[in-house]
Amino acid sequence: QSVLTQPPSVSGAPGQRVTISCTGSSSNIGAGYDVHWYQQLPGTAPKLLIYGNSNRPSGVPDRFSGSKSGTSASLAITGLQAEDEADYYCQSYDSSLSGSGVFGTGTKVTVL
Amino acid sequence: EVQLVQSGAEVKKPGESLKISCKGSGYSFTSYWIGWVRQMPGKGLEWMGIIYPGDSDTRYSPSFQGQVTISADKSISTAYLQWSSLKASDTAMYYCARDLGAAVQDAFDIWGQGTMVTVSS
Repeated sequence: QSVLTQPPSVSGAPGQRVTISCTGSSSNIGAGYDVHWYQQLPGTAPKLLIYGNSNRPSGVPDRFSGSKSGTSASLAITGLQAEDEADYYCQSYDSSLSGSGVFGTGTKVTVL
Repeated sequence: EVQLVQSGAEVKKPGESLKISCKGSGYSFTSYWIGWVRQMPGKGLEWMGIIYPGDSDTRYSPSFQGQVTISADKSISTAYLQWSSLKASDTAMYYCARDLGAAVQDAFDIWGQGTMVTVSS
């Protein structure tokens, strides 16, 4: 099982703000390693949404924002839109896993 | 255009071997780590391992160490993921992805389209 824990699901009405947490430990997020976020639409490959805790790649709307504090990180989606309905995953690096990357458990965002 | 193109879907029997590929184009293939990610049906993403094609430095997640082999042929800008003896539990979608920075812990910015591997008797 993953060492990064996310809520299985979050939901919100169009226009609302939702947040997704990613909880780690002292060997990953708490050790200072960056957190990245991905969006996976049904039947498609994941897409990078946030890298280095809070940076957006070119083309990603500023409705998406990331933050990190202590052993946790968060992804916020403001002005929720129907097309935001997808699975979201955090990712970091874990020094206790022979120096390998790790994904979060994933969160399904539903737009009501 | 920077892209990763993966080989096509595979249907194999338990015990068979398999090697799937991921061809990079539009960038310097030897300068970026390439990772492999597993997604079992209806499940989440799993970080399997990563290779630096420039010198073939390879790291594995403990969950996949000894279960798969990651390699690369820089002369043809292609990374590989292989199994010597497949199991039904290897049935999954496999993605390759490019690490955007110089470090293993950087994000994956470019993803392949995925290769579906089905293992069934």
